[in-house]
Amino acid sequence: EIVLTQSPGTLSLSPGERATLSCRASQSVITTFFAWYQQKPGQTPRLLIYGASRRATGIPDRFTGSGSGTDFTLTISRLEPEDYGVYYCQQYGSAPYTFGQGTKLEIK
Amino acid sequence: EARLVESGGRLVRPGGSLRLSCAASGFTFNNFTLNWIRQAPGKGLEWVSSITGSGKYTYYIDSVKGRFTISRDNAKNSLYLQLSSLRAEDTGVYYCASLAYDYVSGTNRYYGPDVWGQGTTVIVSS
Repeated sequence: EIVLTQSPGTLSLSPGERATLSCRASQSVITTFFAWYQQKPGQTPRLLIYGASRRATGIPDRFTGSGSGTDFTLTISRLEPEDYGVYYCQQYGSAPYTFGQGTKLEIK
Repeated sequence: EARLVESGGRLVRPGGSLRLSCAASGFTFNNFTLNWIRQAPGKGLEWVSSITGSGKYTYYIDSVKGRFTISRDNAKNSLYLQLSSLRAEDTGVYYCASLAYDYVSGTNRYYGPDVWGQGTTVIVSS
């Protein structure tokens, strides 16, 4: 099983700042099947990035995904107030598919 | 527009059984692998099970093997999850989902849409 470990657990930043979220895998991940999601309370997860670096439809270009192998990063270049929520990474290239435990992003 | 709509969640006693359904529309259902993903109250996302487009291959997280069965009826554009021997730790919102991919292999392009249902709630409690 590929274990995904996200850091930090919580991030508290101000609008306009840059956020860097990390996801580290216990073994190499198939990049094609690696994604980042945002989830707000009471809502379904929203796909941000798939294929490790491809922005999903309608996602602003301030969201950037990068990485390969075992280390992946989601960068939000200029935080907006609506960017709060919990961010999850996921790999679905090797069963059992797994999610990271999430990074909670708070906007001050 | 691609859409998935789950149903079947309810309160059930420990040891009980339940069948969840997921109705699909707006995309070529039998072309894509589908998944069940759950979320316990206040917790993170957990992938539960997956089934390929033809239904030939199925995958499960260890904690549900032997208790849950995923299936699909491509003629009805429907996905199912049969839950049995339910435990309190199976409580949560269950989502059906198609997970996104887009790649080229040789001369073929392979594409999978990102589609999630709104979720259906399973509560296992006496």
